[in-house]
Amino acid sequence: SQELEQSPQSLIVQEGKNLTINCTSSKTLYGLYWYKQKYGEGLIFLMMLQKGGEEKSHEKITAKLDEKKQQSSLHITASQPSHAGIYLCGADLRLAGGTSYGKLTFGQGTILTVHP
Amino acid sequence: KAGVTQTPRYLIKTRGQQVTLSCSPISGHRSVSWYQQTPGQGLQFLFEYFSETQRNKGNFPGRFSGRQFSNSRSEMNVSTLELGDSALYLCASSSGQHSYNEQFFGPGTRLTVL
Repeated sequence: SQELEQSPQSLIVQEGKNLTINCTSSKTLYGLYWYKQKYGEGLIFLMMLQKGGEEKSHEKITAKLDEKKQQSSLHITASQPSHAGIYLCGADLRLAGGTSYGKLTFGQGTILTVHP
Repeated sequence: KAGVTQTPRYLIKTRGQQVTLSCSPISGHRSVSWYQQTPGQGLQFLFEYFSETQRNKGNFPGRFSGRQFSNSRSEMNVSTLELGDSALYLCASSSGQHSYNEQFFGPGTRLTVL
């Protein structure tokens, strides 16, 4: 099974609707990253969360980290066609007391389609 | 500030050949990580370099190797190419001072092995 599970795998919404993407880890999270990717292109950094309960927002995108549940959610308010793409969560899943330099473990991604 | 750059953007090789990909990190960043992205396996970590030293390594065969130069630019090499090596290869840069630094990705190199 995947160490980092994203749900849903794909999402189709009408422009203007709100949506949520979840990322759940089977291991302790030491850092959680959200990226957006256009098909076949590089990853665009959205946000990084480190502390339990932390919440960050950028424009219409909000991400939260629930450390106890080892879960993060990404919420988009009033979606627009420009939000379409693949959303990936990446996590620092180092062992307790260890390091994980430069290594992120990624979920399989959520494909978001926004219909105008 | 210029972002992470990768060259070349596209490559076509045949089985058995070798290939070298290049990554230039954001100015001031000393850490470069490499990832392989395929439809089946998703994004997988290859290795990370900091100040010319490999600090971390993923579970890939020895055919995959890398290095980092004193200016923090990094190269990865794949020898004896196999069809399964066809993928998007991404590099990411960060300041590298801590294992939880923000990582910024380049546009990737699309490698096709025929």
